[in-house]
Order: sequence, then structure tokens, then C-alpha cells
Amino acid sequence: NAGVTQTPKFRILKIGQSMTLQCTQDMNHNYMYWYRQDPGMGLKLIYYSVGAGITDKGEVPNGYNVSRSTTEDFPLRLELAAPSQTSVYFCASSTTFWGKYNEQFFGPGTRLTVL
Amino acid sequence: TQLLEQSPQFLSIQEGENLTVYCNSSSVFSSLQWYRQEPGEGPVLLVTVVTGGEVKKLKRLTFQFGDARKDSSLHITAAQPGDTGLYLCAGVPQGGSEKLVFGKGTKLTVNP
Repeated sequence: NAGVTQTPKFRILKIGQSMTLQCTQDMNHNYMYWYRQDPGMGLKLIYYSVGAGITDKGEVPNGYNVSRSTTEDFPLRLELAAPSQTSVYFCASSTTFWGKYNEQFFGPGTRLTVL
Repeated sequence: TQLLEQSPQFLSIQEGENLTVYCNSSSVFSSLQWYRQEPGEGPVLLVTVVTGGEVKKLKRLTFQFGDARKDSSLHITAAQPGDTGLYLCAGVPQGGSEKLVFGKGTKLTVNP
């Protein structure tokens, strides 16, 4: 199993450009998440999904959109990129939804810079 | 407002030393997790503690959940360079939205 894979690994965008960060998991997990990690700030939840066709906002959803058409894929869309979206983005998946024993499996991350 | 406060923020020690990092809150948590993140990688779960006063050991790492389930500590014995990384605590607040919240992390460097 590859686990959670993310592409691209690095990306530089100009202000106002758009892009999609790809995330795929091969563990048949129903639950998937997108986080951003800023230096010294921990992980902030952007969006999450409890299954194909069902998504919901997390703590910092503004400027982002997601879709979940299959169990495996959970892409994150940035529209009109802004410098404040410069960050490292992590996708994660889990077998359970939150709760005490939620173990989240993370991808390797996408480092995005907006200039 | 940061629900989980981690300390210290940075820690640099020599190989063979012992260390403790802390994860504190004024809120009660249903469970607390510790993750380790190496440079250029995503976090990896080390342990989950769910019972107040619980102690778990993972080789040279000892994890403790406070009796009141508001805090946790990670103790490393005889640290090695391979322990270098960012240690994140994360927890599910009791009675809240059930969403996992993360601390800001402790960046540990173990020098040979």
C-alpha cells in the first residue's frame, strides 16, 4: 500500500492564479482531511469529508474548495491564490471519524508559495 | 485561542540526555495523541492515551495522560539523533465538536 499520496510536492503560484492539490489514499478509508501547517502554528483543519459526496468546512476554509467524487480521491482547490495561502498542505485519512481512537494517516505534504 | 499549549517550543540536546516535553490545556480531552513529524514528511502517530493517569511506553518514549485529562507529557530517555523531529500533541475536546485539535509542536534536535 502506498498510503496517502499527494501531488505536487512543491509549487510556486502567482497572486490570482488557481491550482488543485491532489490527494489519493489506497487504504479504503472513508474519512479524509485537509490541513495547512504554517511555521510555529501547528496544523489547522481546512476541510474534511466523511465519504464520497459529503464534505464540510473545518477551521480555516476561506479561499479553498474541495470535492469527493470517489473514496480514494480528495482534491483541494485554491481559487485566486493569495500570499496568505503560502503554507505546507497535508492530506490525511482515517478509518474512524474523530473520536478517541482516531488515527490519522498523513501524506508527505505539498509546499506552496504564493508570490 | 490555542486549546493545546506545548512547551518548550524548541529543544536542542546532546545524544544520551533525557528530556520531557509538555502538552497543557485548561480544557478536558476525551483523548490525547502524540505525533512525530520529520522534515519534509507528514506527522506519524506515536500513541493515543484515553484514560486519566494512563502511562504508555514505546521503547525509550514514555507518555503520560494527566489525571484530570487536561495535560500530557512525553519523556524520552537517552535521546538519539533519530529522535530529532517535531513532536505534536493532538486531542479531542470533551463535549465539543469532536474535531481533532493540534498543538503548535515542540521541535527537538538531538546532536551526536
